[in-house]
Amino acid sequence: DAGVIQSPRHEVTEMGQEVTLRCKPISGHNSLFWYRQTMMRGLELLIYFNNNVPIDDSGMPEDRFSAKMPNASFSTLKIQPSEPRDSAVYFCASTRSIIGELFFGEGSRLTVL
Amino acid sequence: KNEVEQSPQNLTAQEGEFITINCSYSVGISALHWLQQHPGGGIVSLFMLSSGKKKHGRLIATINIQEKHSSLHITASHPRDSAVYICAGLTDKLIFGTGTRLQVFP
Repeated sequence: DAGVIQSPRHEVTEMGQEVTLRCKPISGHNSLFWYRQTMMRGLELLIYFNNNVPIDDSGMPEDRFSAKMPNASFSTLKIQPSEPRDSAVYFCASTRSIIGELFFGEGSRLTVL
Repeated sequence: KNEVEQSPQNLTAQEGEFITINCSYSVGISALHWLQQHPGGGIVSLFMLSSGKKKHGRLIATINIQEKHSSLHITASHPRDSAVYICAGLTDKLIFGTGTRLQVFP
């Protein structure tokens, strides 16, 4: 299995631009998580889906952030408009069940200038 | 006060030393994860445990539910063990500790 696949690996954009991060979970995994990692705050859960349904989005910072999972093999995290404070590494992870072992993607490093 | 706390924050060791990283939590959890993040940034799940002890190679993880405490041990440490180790408690979501940065020198 290829593991959790994220794209892009690196993104540099200007303030105000729309950013879309993509994630392909491991086939057969029912839960998908979006995390953000910064030096100041460490790893934070943004949102997670179970069977493609958003279960907990309380970690989404504000309305500029949105996430979708249109099917079991694809999810997006969108930031519109982006701001410099959104600069971070965004990780996607999937698991067979909410209490199962987590498998992380390699992360998308976002820099907003 | 963080709901999941790790100690120490930073740890240096000589190759071959026995290493212990501690994780304490103040909330009720159903399971605890130990994660490893290498300098390249990728995160790997090492263990998920809800009771007792688990062993994988030179790594051992233990958890004491009553004391709300977990430890990660590395026996015969090696420079390739240098990484950030993160514990995370599972409530209705994962709550992460701040991580322990380990450097093992030859």
